[in-house]
Parts: sequence; C-alpha cells; structure tokens
Amino acid sequence: QLQLRGSGPGLVKPSETLSLTCIVSGGSVSSYDDYWGWIRQPPGKGLEWIGSISHDGTTYYNPSLKSRVTISVDTSTNQFSLKLTSVTAADTAVYSCARHTNIPGRTRWFDPWGQGTLVTVSS
Amino acid sequence: QSVLTQPPSVSGAPGQRVTISCTGSRSSIGAGYDVNWYQQLPGTAPKLLIYYNNNRPSGVPDRFSGSKSGTSASLAITGLQAEDEADYYCQSHDGSLGAWVFGGGTKVTVL
Repeated sequence: QLQLRGSGPGLVKPSETLSLTCIVSGGSVSSYDDYWGWIRQPPGKGLEWIGSISHDGTTYYNPSLKSRVTISVDTSTNQFSLKLTSVTAADTAVYSCARHTNIPGRTRWFDPWGQGTLVTVSS
Repeated sequence: QSVLTQPPSVSGAPGQRVTISCTGSRSSIGAGYDVNWYQQLPGTAPKLLIYYNNNRPSGVPDRFSGSKSGTSASLAITGLQAEDEADYYCQSHDGSLGAWVFGGGTKVTVL
C-alpha cells in the first residue's frame, strides 16, 4: 500500500527558506506514470497546488509561486523535496505531499496524501 | 479567489440528498479537463472521493457521485449521514494558467 510521509521544520523565519521532504513507501518515485506533488492549505483556508515533479525530474510549478519554488526527486532514497525561498507570514500553512497520478489522457488527481506538516513563518 | 468556484456551505438532514457545484471556465472545465473531488474530515488530510468526473476509488460508498457538464461539475451525496460532515474540494486543470487548480471548498453540515 502506497504511503507518503512528509517531514521538516515546523517553524521558519521570515525571508528564509522552507524545506520539506516526503518519503515514499510501498511504491517508487521512479514510476513512469506518476508525478509527485506538493499542496498547501493556510489555516482555515482552501487548498493550493504548489508544484509537481515527474520520475525523470521534469517539474511543473504554480505560476504564482514559480519564482520561489524548487521541487526535486531522489530516486536512490525514494523521496522528493520542496524548497520555498523568501518566505513570509503568508506562507504559513499545512504543507502536504501526494502522488499526482492519472489514467493516460485524463486530468491528474492527487492520491494518496501524506499527513501534512504545519509550517509557521515567524521570527 | 479560487479558479474554481464552490458554495461555501451546504446542509441537509440525515437521509437527504445534497449537491455541491463547482464552476470553472472555458480554460478549465470547459476546455475538457476532468474534475476530481476530495473529502477532508476535520483535522485530517484530504482523501480522493471522485476521479475522472464520476469514478469512485475502491472503498468510497456509492452514495457519492459526480457529474460534469459544460464549464461546471457537481458532487451529489445521497442518503446523507453524520459521518459525511466534512469539507469537500473540487480540482481540475486550467490550460491558460498551466496549473492544477482547486475550488475554495464547501463545508457540508448534517443537521
């Protein structure tokens, strides 16, 4: 059974870089058909897609965050990572990782999701 | 402001049928992109409820169904149960933005 587990600091200072890692078990980040994505949810608000990465390292970023986001994948450790630079209080959110998959020719969906990590941006 | 528009809340009595709308545009749902739905119970991560417009993953009760027409989609819950009280999100893709997008979410309350 595929499972994802995110990890990383729960507190980041303004202007610094947020770094999170998602460990994949029960499946492989090298899977040809799957992407691996990050989604965030500010407290009391809705979901926002941050970006996704394919098995070969091709990345897809939300245009609103593209200048500050880097997503990478490490096939040797079966994990993928998120870096968000120059954070502000507006970046405070629960950050979740998820498999971003599809049936060929159809719109991708996110399943399953990791448990989410609350990251607070504060000095 | 979300690219996909959902009502903030809907409510119904146990056993009733409720529907949640998800309105997009000609560059998202209207462009032929599929709609997926997620259920988020309080304090938990979202869970896939419907994929590819009207398909249920294994384990999702058939009380949940999805449909899509034009630039909109809907999620229907029939035989509403107390355990269905949660936030529901639609998701699709916007070709103009080049982004996967979510609705703002709808809170379902069981009266």
